[in-house]
Amino acid sequence: QVQLKESGPGLVQPSETLSLTCTVSGFSLTSYSVSWVRQPSGKGPEWMGRMWYDGDTAYNSALKSRLSISRDTSKNQVFLKMNSLQTDDTGTYYCTREGARWYFDFWGPGTMVTVSS
Amino acid sequence: AIVLNQSPSSIIASQGEKVTITCRASSSISSNYLHWYQQKPGAFPKLVIYSTSYRASGVPSRFSGSGSGTSYSFTISRVEAEDVATYYCQQGSSNPYTFGAGTKLELK
Repeated sequence: QVQLKESGPGLVQPSETLSLTCTVSGFSLTSYSVSWVRQPSGKGPEWMGRMWYDGDTAYNSALKSRLSISRDTSKNQVFLKMNSLQTDDTGTYYCTREGARWYFDFWGPGTMVTVSS
Repeated sequence: AIVLNQSPSSIIASQGEKVTITCRASSSISSNYLHWYQQKPGAFPKLVIYSTSYRASGVPSRFSGSGSGTSYSFTISRVEAEDVATYYCQQGSSNPYTFGAGTKLELK
């Protein structure tokens, strides 16, 4: 069955870099795109960016200067790196599989990231 | 970016009641790219309706969607206790993909 799981540090210092890993199973990263979506507590989700099935990437313009998404298909992993973190980057970070019409049909459980000194 | 305005922001309904949520986009979007999610406390958002009106796998028939252009709606024909959640619309028509601010459904 399709599964995604996020992993990474729960606490990041302000101005530091966040590194998250999404490990997937039940589908191929060369057949489906994977997106990162984050959600501050009590607010709506925000799409951050995508790793296309062909290896290309797309980013939310609001985050593009700080964000990098990559992958290792041999390990079934997609990576997120975002630098210059601030307190308003605190929230739950999800990796998601994308369906044909740019909807998110499978989600990881999410990982909570707190930006604080 | 396309802004999605959801209304109302909260609903209090009785079991068995019909509820409708509206999502209005700041620019016209193709109905193929308007989707709805259900998020229960402490859980990830779950896809409920995709491409305006298609129910995702396993979603009960009491959930439905409609709309076109800049105006879309999501309806629960007869609310059940398990439907208590926050509902979000999302557009995949243009980058950046955006979500509405959510509608919180509670039971009376």
